[in-house]
Amino acid sequence: DVKVTQSSRYLVKRTGEKVFLECVQDMDHENMFWYRQDPGLGLRLIYFSYDVKMKEKGDIPEGYSVSREKKERFSLILESASTNQTSMYLCASSLLSESRSEQYFGPGTRLTVT
Amino acid sequence: SQQGEEDPQALSIQEGENATMNCSYKTSINNLQWYRQNSGRGLVHLILIRSNEREKHSGRLRVTLDTSKKSSSLLITASRAADTASYFCATVPFGNEKLTFGTGTRLTIIP
Repeated sequence: DVKVTQSSRYLVKRTGEKVFLECVQDMDHENMFWYRQDPGLGLRLIYFSYDVKMKEKGDIPEGYSVSREKKERFSLILESASTNQTSMYLCASSLLSESRSEQYFGPGTRLTVT
Repeated sequence: SQQGEEDPQALSIQEGENATMNCSYKTSINNLQWYRQNSGRGLVHLILIRSNEREKHSGRLRVTLDTSKKSSSLLITASRAADTASYFCATVPFGNEKLTFGTGTRLTIIP
Protein backbone atom coordinates (compact mmCIF):
# COMPACT_ATOMS: atom_id res chain seq x y z
CA ASP A 1 0.00 0.00 0.00
CA VAL A 2 1.08 3.52 -0.73
CA LYS A 3 1.98 5.40 2.35
CA VAL A 4 2.14 9.18 2.55
CA THR A 5 3.25 10.59 5.86
CA GLN A 6 3.26 14.14 7.13
CA SER A 7 5.61 15.36 9.83
CA SER A 8 2.99 16.64 12.26
CA ARG A 9 -0.73 16.12 12.85
CA TYR A 10 -1.11 19.34 14.79
CA LEU A 11 1.08 22.43 14.80
CA VAL A 12 0.77 25.80 16.54
CA LYS A 13 2.95 28.67 15.38
CA ARG A 14 3.14 32.38 16.00
CA THR A 15 2.60 35.08 13.39
CA GLY A 16 5.81 35.80 11.52
CA GLU A 17 7.45 32.45 12.20
CA LYS A 18 8.89 30.37 9.38
CA VAL A 19 7.03 27.07 9.17
CA PHE A 20 8.11 23.84 7.49
CA LEU A 21 5.63 21.09 6.68
CA GLU A 22 7.20 17.86 5.53
CA CYS A 23 5.69 15.12 3.40
CA VAL A 24 7.21 11.76 2.54
CA GLN A 25 5.85 9.05 0.22
CA ASP A 26 7.23 5.54 -0.09
CA MET A 27 5.96 4.45 -3.51
CA ASP A 28 8.40 6.17 -5.84
CA HIS A 29 5.69 8.50 -7.17
CA GLU A 30 6.83 11.29 -9.44
CA ASN A 31 4.00 13.72 -8.64
CA MET A 32 3.56 15.34 -5.28
CA PHE A 33 1.02 17.97 -4.22
CA TRP A 34 0.24 20.34 -1.39
CA TYR A 35 -3.34 21.42 -0.69
CA ARG A 36 -5.03 23.41 1.98
CA GLN A 37 -8.55 22.63 3.11
CA ASP A 38 -10.89 25.19 4.62
CA PRO A 39 -14.57 24.86 5.53
CA GLY A 40 -16.82 25.76 2.63
CA LEU A 41 -13.91 26.07 0.21
CA GLY A 42 -12.93 22.46 -0.27
CA LEU A 43 -9.37 21.57 -1.21
CA ARG A 44 -7.28 24.15 -2.99
CA LEU A 45 -3.97 23.36 -4.64
CA ILE A 46 -1.00 25.37 -3.38
CA TYR A 47 1.93 23.83 -5.28
CA PHE A 48 2.79 20.62 -7.05
CA SER A 49 5.91 18.94 -8.37
CA TYR A 50 6.48 16.51 -11.24
CA ASP A 51 10.03 15.63 -10.38
CA VAL A 52 12.95 16.42 -8.14
CA LYS A 53 13.74 20.13 -8.11
CA MET A 54 10.70 20.89 -10.25
CA LYS A 55 7.70 22.82 -8.99
CA GLU A 56 4.58 24.41 -10.38
CA LYS A 57 2.27 26.94 -8.80
CA GLY A 58 -1.21 25.84 -8.01
CA ASP A 59 -4.25 28.02 -7.45
CA ILE A 60 -3.14 29.75 -4.24
CA PRO A 61 0.68 29.88 -4.05
CA GLU A 62 0.95 33.32 -2.43
CA GLY A 63 2.71 33.20 0.92
CA TYR A 64 4.06 29.69 0.32
CA SER A 65 7.11 28.09 -1.23
CA VAL A 66 8.11 24.46 -1.72
CA SER A 67 11.21 22.33 -1.93
CA ARG A 68 11.74 18.95 -3.52
CA GLU A 69 15.35 17.85 -3.15
CA LYS A 70 14.57 14.12 -3.11
CA LYS A 71 11.92 12.22 -4.99
CA GLU A 72 10.19 10.95 -1.88
CA ARG A 73 10.06 14.24 0.02
CA PHE A 74 8.09 17.42 -0.67
CA SER A 75 8.24 20.30 1.76
CA LEU A 76 5.87 23.23 2.11
CA ILE A 77 7.31 26.40 3.58
CA LEU A 78 5.45 29.32 5.05
CA GLU A 79 8.07 32.07 4.93
CA SER A 80 6.29 34.28 7.46
CA ALA A 81 3.19 32.66 8.90
CA SER A 82 0.03 34.71 9.13
CA THR A 83 -3.28 34.02 10.83
CA ASN A 84 -5.03 33.54 7.48
CA GLN A 85 -2.80 30.52 6.91
CA THR A 86 -4.49 28.68 9.75
CA SER A 87 -5.84 25.63 7.95
CA MET A 88 -5.63 21.90 7.34
CA TYR A 89 -2.73 21.09 5.01
CA LEU A 90 -2.84 17.91 2.97
CA CYS A 91 -0.05 16.35 0.98
CA ALA A 92 -0.66 13.88 -1.83
CA SER A 93 1.29 11.88 -4.40
CA SER A 94 0.53 10.12 -7.67
CA LEU A 95 2.24 8.33 -10.53
CA LEU A 96 3.45 10.38 -13.49
CA SER A 97 3.09 7.56 -16.02
CA GLU A 98 -0.63 7.72 -15.41
CA SER A 99 -0.50 11.39 -14.80
CA ARG A 100 -4.18 11.74 -14.42
CA SER A 101 -4.47 8.88 -11.98
CA GLU A 102 -5.65 8.80 -8.40
CA GLN A 103 -3.84 10.68 -5.70
CA TYR A 104 -2.81 9.21 -2.36
CA PHE A 105 -3.15 11.52 0.59
CA GLY A 106 -1.37 11.89 3.88
CA PRO A 107 -3.31 12.28 7.16
CA GLY A 108 -3.05 16.06 7.13
CA THR A 109 -1.47 18.70 9.35
CA ARG A 110 -3.78 21.06 11.18
CA LEU A 111 -1.85 24.30 11.50
CA THR A 112 -2.92 27.08 13.80
CA VAL A 113 -1.19 30.46 13.54
CA THR A 114 -1.74 32.73 16.52
CA SER B 1 -11.83 28.15 -8.95
CA GLN B 2 -13.99 25.19 -8.08
CA GLN B 3 -14.53 22.85 -10.99
CA GLY B 4 -16.78 20.40 -9.22
CA GLU B 5 -19.80 21.21 -7.11
CA GLU B 6 -21.42 18.51 -5.01
CA ASP B 7 -25.06 18.31 -4.17
CA PRO B 8 -26.41 18.05 -1.55
CA GLN B 9 -23.99 19.70 0.86
CA ALA B 10 -25.21 17.39 3.63
CA LEU B 11 -27.20 14.18 3.69
CA SER B 12 -28.50 12.07 6.59
CA ILE B 13 -30.00 8.64 6.02
CA GLN B 14 -30.84 5.50 8.00
CA GLU B 15 -28.40 2.63 8.00
CA GLY B 16 -29.24 0.21 5.21
CA GLU B 17 -30.64 2.86 2.89
CA ASN B 18 -28.94 3.98 -0.30
CA ALA B 19 -27.14 7.32 -0.51
CA THR B 20 -26.82 9.32 -3.69
CA MET B 21 -24.54 12.30 -4.18
CA ASN B 22 -24.19 14.41 -7.27
CA CYS B 23 -21.38 16.39 -8.80
CA SER B 24 -21.53 19.00 -11.54
CA TYR B 25 -18.55 20.49 -13.33
CA LYS B 26 -17.91 23.17 -15.89
CA THR B 27 -15.31 22.19 -18.49
CA SER B 28 -14.46 19.09 -20.50
CA ILE B 29 -12.67 16.48 -18.47
CA ASN B 30 -10.24 13.63 -18.89
CA ASN B 31 -11.62 11.80 -15.88
CA LEU B 32 -13.59 12.32 -12.69
CA GLN B 33 -12.71 10.83 -9.33
CA TRP B 34 -14.51 10.39 -6.02
CA TYR B 35 -12.78 10.53 -2.66
CA ARG B 36 -13.88 9.96 0.92
CA GLN B 37 -12.63 11.84 3.95
CA ASN B 38 -13.28 10.72 7.48
CA SER B 39 -13.42 13.49 10.04
CA GLY B 40 -10.08 15.29 10.40
CA ARG B 41 -8.21 12.82 8.22
CA GLY B 42 -6.73 12.65 4.74
CA LEU B 43 -8.69 11.74 1.64
CA VAL B 44 -9.02 8.20 0.35
CA HIS B 45 -9.54 7.50 -3.34
CA LEU B 46 -12.73 5.55 -4.06
CA ILE B 47 -13.20 5.33 -7.79
CA LEU B 48 -12.10 6.88 -11.09
CA ILE B 49 -14.30 7.12 -14.16
CA ARG B 50 -12.88 8.18 -17.52
CA SER B 51 -14.64 10.52 -19.90
CA ASN B 52 -15.47 7.69 -22.31
CA GLU B 53 -17.11 5.61 -19.57
CA ARG B 54 -20.71 5.98 -18.46
CA GLU B 55 -20.88 3.78 -15.40
CA LYS B 56 -18.50 2.07 -13.05
CA HIS B 57 -18.92 -0.19 -10.02
CA SER B 58 -16.73 -0.97 -7.06
CA GLY B 59 -18.25 -3.06 -4.29
CA ARG B 60 -21.21 -1.09 -2.91
CA LEU B 61 -20.28 1.97 -4.96
CA ARG B 62 -21.76 2.89 -8.30
CA VAL B 63 -20.62 5.94 -10.23
CA THR B 64 -22.22 7.35 -13.33
CA LEU B 65 -20.92 10.02 -15.66
CA ASP B 66 -22.92 12.11 -18.10
CA THR B 67 -20.50 14.25 -20.09
CA SER B 68 -23.32 15.92 -22.02
CA LYS B 69 -24.72 17.27 -18.76
CA LYS B 70 -21.30 17.62 -17.15
CA SER B 71 -22.44 15.69 -14.12
CA SER B 72 -21.67 12.58 -12.13
CA SER B 73 -23.36 10.72 -9.33
CA LEU B 74 -22.07 8.46 -6.59
CA LEU B 75 -24.43 5.83 -5.20
CA ILE B 76 -23.60 3.96 -2.02
CA THR B 77 -25.90 1.00 -1.56
CA ALA B 78 -26.86 -0.61 1.74
CA SER B 79 -25.19 2.13 3.76
CA ARG B 80 -23.30 1.37 6.98
CA ALA B 81 -22.33 3.54 9.93
CA ALA B 82 -18.74 3.38 8.70
CA ASP B 83 -19.78 5.22 5.52
CA THR B 84 -20.26 8.38 7.58
CA ALA B 85 -17.75 10.79 6.02
CA SER B 86 -17.40 13.65 3.57
CA TYR B 87 -17.36 12.74 -0.10
CA PHE B 88 -15.62 14.82 -2.75
CA CYS B 89 -15.63 14.70 -6.49
CA ALA B 90 -12.50 15.81 -8.30
CA THR B 91 -12.06 16.49 -11.98
CA VAL B 92 -9.06 16.41 -14.28
CA PRO B 93 -9.74 18.77 -17.19
CA PHE B 94 -8.23 18.13 -20.60
CA GLY B 95 -4.91 19.86 -21.01
CA ASN B 96 -4.48 20.14 -17.26
CA GLU B 97 -2.67 17.73 -14.99
CA LYS B 98 -4.23 18.93 -11.77
CA LEU B 99 -7.18 17.62 -9.82
CA THR B 100 -9.79 20.22 -8.94
CA PHE B 101 -11.97 19.35 -5.97
CA GLY B 102 -15.50 20.30 -5.13
CA THR B 103 -16.60 21.39 -1.68
CA GLY B 104 -17.95 17.97 -0.71
CA THR B 105 -21.07 16.27 0.60
CA ARG B 106 -21.21 15.46 4.29
CA LEU B 107 -22.91 12.05 4.66
CA THR B 108 -24.22 10.89 8.02
CA ILE B 109 -25.52 7.35 8.46
CA ILE B 110 -27.91 7.03 11.38
CA PRO B 111 -27.70 3.61 13.09
